[in-house]
Amino acid sequence: NAGVTQTPKFQVLKTGQSMTLQCAQDMNHEYMSWYRQDPGMGLRLIHYSVGAGITDQGEVPNGYNVSRSTTEDFPLRLLSAAPSQTSVYFCASSYRGQGNGYTFGSGTRLTVV
Amino acid sequence: GNSVTQMEGPVTLSEEAFLTINCTYTATGYPSLFWYVQYPGEGLQLLLKATKADDKGSNKGFEATYRKETTSFHLEKGSVQVSDSAVYFCALIEPGTASKLTFGTGTRLQVTL
Repeated sequence: NAGVTQTPKFQVLKTGQSMTLQCAQDMNHEYMSWYRQDPGMGLRLIHYSVGAGITDQGEVPNGYNVSRSTTEDFPLRLLSAAPSQTSVYFCASSYRGQGNGYTFGSGTRLTVV
Repeated sequence: GNSVTQMEGPVTLSEEAFLTINCTYTATGYPSLFWYVQYPGEGLQLLLKATKADDKGSNKGFEATYRKETTSFHLEKGSVQVSDSAVYFCALIEPGTASKLTFGTGTRLQVTL
């Protein structure tokens, strides 16, 4: 049981480049989310999905796109990287329901220079 | 809107000391409450949860009680170990928010011999 798998673990981008952060889960979870973690700010929600074909914006969506074509996969796209997007990115998934905790991936550390 | 406030760290304790990390929340409804732990270089792991008032979540010697009257969910452990050194996040999910997690800023715990 792999849980939530994120790739790559580390990435360095130049300003203006684009890339996709991959996230896959094998637990048949309906809900999936992307968070960014910055020092002193906790984790902030970027985008989330409640099922295949359904996505919505979180707290800090600007500069990011998502899609959910399958239950398992939820990629995060950076359209034109900026230094302000330097962060650690976490993908998480959960069963439907308020009381279910999320399972997190191990994160992608992104540096934009 | 929802918010979670945690005591600022770092918290430094000697092994076998008693731990309390304070967490208070603001929510319009009756949220589910969570504590997550992040060990160095890893993703977040669900430590414990409580879904209604007066519930006590517990795991690995850690406990937290959902106190609606004080809107608090303080994390406690009677005797910490060096292996408990990590960052601890308090979080909530409010009903009707598609299970979106709102996090506190995290509290770093350092346990020394």
